[in-house]
Amino acid sequence: EPEVTQTPSHQVTQMGQEVILRCVPISNHLYFYWYRQILGQKVEFLVSFYNNEISEKSEIFDDQFSVERPDGSNFTLKIRSTKLEDSAMYFCASSEVGYTNYGYTFGSGTRLTVV
Amino acid sequence: AQSVTQLDSHVSVSEGTPVLLRCNYSSSYSPSLFWYVQHPNKGLQLLLKYTSAATLVKGINGFEAEFKKSETSFHLTKPSAHMSDAAEYFCVVTGGSYIPTFGRGTSLIVHP
Repeated sequence: EPEVTQTPSHQVTQMGQEVILRCVPISNHLYFYWYRQILGQKVEFLVSFYNNEISEKSEIFDDQFSVERPDGSNFTLKIRSTKLEDSAMYFCASSEVGYTNYGYTFGSGTRLTVV
Repeated sequence: AQSVTQLDSHVSVSEGTPVLLRCNYSSSYSPSLFWYVQHPNKGLQLLLKYTSAATLVKGINGFEAEFKKSETSFHLTKPSAHMSDAAEYFCVVTGGSYIPTFGRGTSLIVHP
């Protein structure tokens, strides 16, 4: 069964550093998403991406964050100048279409720890 | 607007007994509803989904859920729990927005 692959599974970074979280969506999917889950809290939507541009983003997704699809297969989330409160599990997801009645395939997540 | 409430943060059952994980939703439009499961150190796996067809939805691993519009609920059930069912379960809704909204999750604990 096709999978969404995320790397690394765990990343530790110092406060103020930049991190890039990587995702390889399912090859025929067209919509890509990033979510995060702070320990003990809800899974929160960050951003959706379609046709090489952001289609929707949440209030969380401020200028500190950016997304990119650099080579047609990878989908990355960059966090600039990380803060302690950025520590969370980050999930990438993809879907074939952006309709509400389709499921989404999620990756296994990257646990980001900012120290 | 859309939201989802998972009524229990933890549910503890004995192996072989029924499982009930509760979910209530709110949506301005006809919702689509999903249950996902997350095993430790694994990704989110789709268990089942409701998309305005049959109100009783069967999923993988013996799970099923019933969409009750009058109660705005989409509870997840399984007749007999297995040890391998121990995991985190998320109820998810899409409705006014195609962006899924997650519940807080319910941790299912299965005792031998």
